[in-house]
Amino acid sequence: ETGVTQSPTHLIKTRGQQVTLRCSSQSGHNTVSWYQQALGQGPQFIFQYYREEENGRGNFPPRFSGLQFPNYSSELNVNALELDDSALYLCASSLGQGRGEQFFGPGTRLTVL
Amino acid sequence: GQQLNQSPQSMFIQEGEDVSMNCTSSSIFNTWLWYKQEPGEGPVLLIALYKAGELTSNGRLTAQFGITRKDSFLNISASIPSDVGIYFCAGQLRYGQNFVFGPGTRLSVLP
Repeated sequence: ETGVTQSPTHLIKTRGQQVTLRCSSQSGHNTVSWYQQALGQGPQFIFQYYREEENGRGNFPPRFSGLQFPNYSSELNVNALELDDSALYLCASSLGQGRGEQFFGPGTRLTVL
Repeated sequence: GQQLNQSPQSMFIQEGEDVSMNCTSSSIFNTWLWYKQEPGEGPVLLIALYKAGELTSNGRLTAQFGITRKDSFLNISASIPSDVGIYFCAGQLRYGQNFVFGPGTRLSVLP
């Protein structure tokens, strides 16, 4: 059984740029959730994808967008990067629509200069 | 939005001691998850709780779903150095909704 993987591991961007982060869900899981974790804080929910449709969104602006593909992998896109977007971005996969255990990937560390 | 509180915020204990931490909310949750996160890594799921009053163990870890459904507790017995990390609780208000995370309890184990 393959766990959740994320790429890239680290990324440095400048303010105003755009970034795409990728996540492969654990085999057999059809739901992917994205979280932003600022230093010293708990993860904050960005949005969730279930069977290629957005299924719930946290308090994040529209410049945070995502996609889920038929193989259940997912992308997080952030446009017009701001300094406050610097954080660890975590992807979690689960089986079923928001029910039960979520398993996290190692995260992508984004630094915005 | 919904908020979870965790206490203590941080703790320093001697190797071999038992640890207790809790997670509280003003809202009623139907699922609680406990995670451990080490530096530079994603959170690792420790225990999942689905029913009020439920007590579940995973090795030296034991977690309980509070009877009021507004809280949850995690205990670690006979702590060892590899228990060091940040422990997060996460609650789900209703099936199909996202999980809300607490701010974490940072555990340090002194040899």
